[in-house]
Amino acid sequence: QLQLQESGPGLVKSPETLSLTCTVSGGSINSTSYYWGWLRQPPGKGLEWIGSIFRTGDTYYNPSLKSRVTMSVDTSKNQFSLRLSSVTAADTAVFYCARQIYYYDSRGPIPRALAYFESWGQGILVTVSS
Amino acid sequence: DIVMTQSPDSLAVSLGERATLNCKSSQTVLYSSNRKNYLAWYQQKPGQPPKLLIYWASTRASGVPDRFSGSGSGTDFTLTISSLQAEDVAVYYCQQYYSNPSNTFGQGTKLEIK
Repeated sequence: QLQLQESGPGLVKSPETLSLTCTVSGGSINSTSYYWGWLRQPPGKGLEWIGSIFRTGDTYYNPSLKSRVTMSVDTSKNQFSLRLSSVTAADTAVFYCARQIYYYDSRGPIPRALAYFESWGQGILVTVSS
Repeated sequence: DIVMTQSPDSLAVSLGERATLNCKSSQTVLYSSNRKNYLAWYQQKPGQPPKLLIYWASTRASGVPDRFSGSGSGTDFTLTISSLQAEDVAVYYCQQYYSNPSNTFGQGTKLEIK
């Protein structure tokens, strides 16, 4: 049974850097069939994709956050991480890590592409204070 | 960016009745060559992470009860719960993954018991 667990500080001061780690158990982060994503949800609001990373370290980021986001992967520890710099109160949210399908379709717009998020961690609330 | 708009924002349905939730994309999420709609639905219960219900617009995820079904194509999609159960109270989100690698979610529909 795949499990993802977010960890990191629950309180970050503005304008410091938020750092979170996702530990994967019950499955290998080295799989070629998945990317590993970070998403966030401000209190009482909807979901926003932050970015996704492959086992090789290849990354894709949300263009609206790209200048502040860095993701990394440690396959030896079965973990991947998120850094979000220059945080403000607007970055207060529950942060989720998730496994994202990376599929092959020769008739698709590109042969290999990212798709939906099939497994999610429980989430971690990060509050940004001034 | 593809904007996803869900309607209604909230919905109250009696137990055992049908619930119909809508999702509209600002541009097509149907790719003509493979005839696939790049759309997923998620269920989020209070205090829990989202759970994948439907992908490719109409394929149920593993373990999802068959009272949940997805339909639609192009820009207009529907999630139907054929007979509402108490445990279905949640917020439901649609997500497009057509604009690869980016993806965007709708604002959610809150489903309650009438």
